Amino acid sequence: DQQVKQNSPSLSVQEGRISILNCDYTNSMFDYFLWYKKYPAEGPTFLISISSIKDKNEDGRFTVFLNKSAKHLSLHIVPSQPGDSAVYFCAASGGTSYGKLTFGQGTILTVHP
Amino acid sequence: SQTIHQWPATLVQPVGSPLSLECTVEGTSNPNLYWYRQAAGRGLQLLFYSVGIGQISSEVPQNLSASRPQDRQFILSSKKLLLSDSGFYLCAWSVGRTHGENTIYFGEGSWLTVV
Repeated sequence: DQQVKQNSPSLSVQEGRISILNCDYTNSMFDYFLWYKKYPAEGPTFLISISSIKDKNEDGRFTVFLNKSAKHLSLHIVPSQPGDSAVYFCAASGGTSYGKLTFGQGTILTVHP
Repeated sequence: SQTIHQWPATLVQPVGSPLSLECTVEGTSNPNLYWYRQAAGRGLQLLFYSVGIGQISSEVPQNLSASRPQDRQFILSSKKLLLSDSGFYLCAWSVGRTHGENTIYFGEGSWLTVV
């Protein structure tokens, strides 16, 4: 049972444009959502998070949007840079989960110069 | 500041041999500790988590085991490796709480190839 899904395996964007990465979840108990960035052969790096009491959180070029009714979140990167090319994972946790995260399958973002 | 370190970074092991991956966290006390695995072309799967010394919970049945002999040390082991154990193993930590907004921070990862 895939509780967190990233339906786009890859995304290609031109430098300077907006990158939009999407994530859907099914478990209504999830109340905390995160985005991680991962380069090959490295551990994921935490990017940005959002609590279910908010619908938007912004940090520099990164903005995460949460639509609870649709059980959908998205990560916007504006403007996109070649260094943003990586695999992006969304993750979710909720309830008394001891901080355990459920991850999506990841989306490979390629930003072309 | 908190740091997490795991080793070795890369290893190639024959089928049937034992495994030991180690992970330590510095700059925090009583963290939650986790072992994740990323198989080729797949997402991150939680293998084990620990909320304290000697307290280990397994998420999926497998050929692996974990131990937490000290507060900030987490070890992933196997007595006999299988080909299917190949993958990228990640140790991670979070602030030691059972619920709420809890961000997990990952180590550098260990590539295991079983041949």
